[in-house]
Amino acid sequence: DAGVTQSPTHLIKTRGQQVTLRCSPKSGHDTVSWYQQALGQGPQFIFQYYEEEERQRGNFPDRFSGHQFPNYSSELNVNALLLGDSALYLCASSLARGRTNEKLFFGSGTQLSVL
Amino acid sequence: QKEVEQDPGPLSVPEGAIVSLNCTYSNSAFQYFMWYRQYSRKGPELLMYTYSSGNKEDGRFTAQVDKSSKYISLFIRDSQPSDSATYLCAMSSPSGGSYIPTFGRGTSLIVHP
Repeated sequence: DAGVTQSPTHLIKTRGQQVTLRCSPKSGHDTVSWYQQALGQGPQFIFQYYEEEERQRGNFPDRFSGHQFPNYSSELNVNALLLGDSALYLCASSLARGRTNEKLFFGSGTQLSVL
Repeated sequence: QKEVEQDPGPLSVPEGAIVSLNCTYSNSAFQYFMWYRQYSRKGPELLMYTYSSGNKEDGRFTAQVDKSSKYISLFIRDSQPSDSATYLCAMSSPSGGSYIPTFGRGTSLIVHP
């Protein structure tokens, strides 16, 4: 059973560029959440996708956008990259169970460096 | 003040020691409490998951939640070098139809042989 897979594993970009990160959820999961983890910090919630819609969003600017496809995979797009966007980007999948807590399963992340 | 506070460490202990990791929080609406383990250059892995106050045990790991004090703990018995990792606490409450966990910054644990 494949877990959460993310691509690419590493990425180097320059300021002002745009980047797209990809995530395939764990088999059987229908919800994808994206997190940003700066060095020495805990993961910060960016947004969550369910049924191809953005269901919840954290405190991130609209330079951060996403998409979920019918097969539940997801993309995170970041425009106009800043140096401060350098971080580990984590994708987590879960199975929506209505109004109850969802156990998150994380991928290994994409390490983004902005120069 | 952050919603979830966690000492970053590092915490260094000898093999076989009992380890105590802790978090405090300010949001009394939190209902679910979790501990994740994160190895270097990997994503977090869910270790323990509890609802409301009380204790939960799973092998060498015990999670405790004290909602009255807004304090949660993770105990690791007979610690092993393979337990060396960053331990993240996380907690969630209902918001907009889903539960989005808020994470602490993590405590780095080093278990030396």
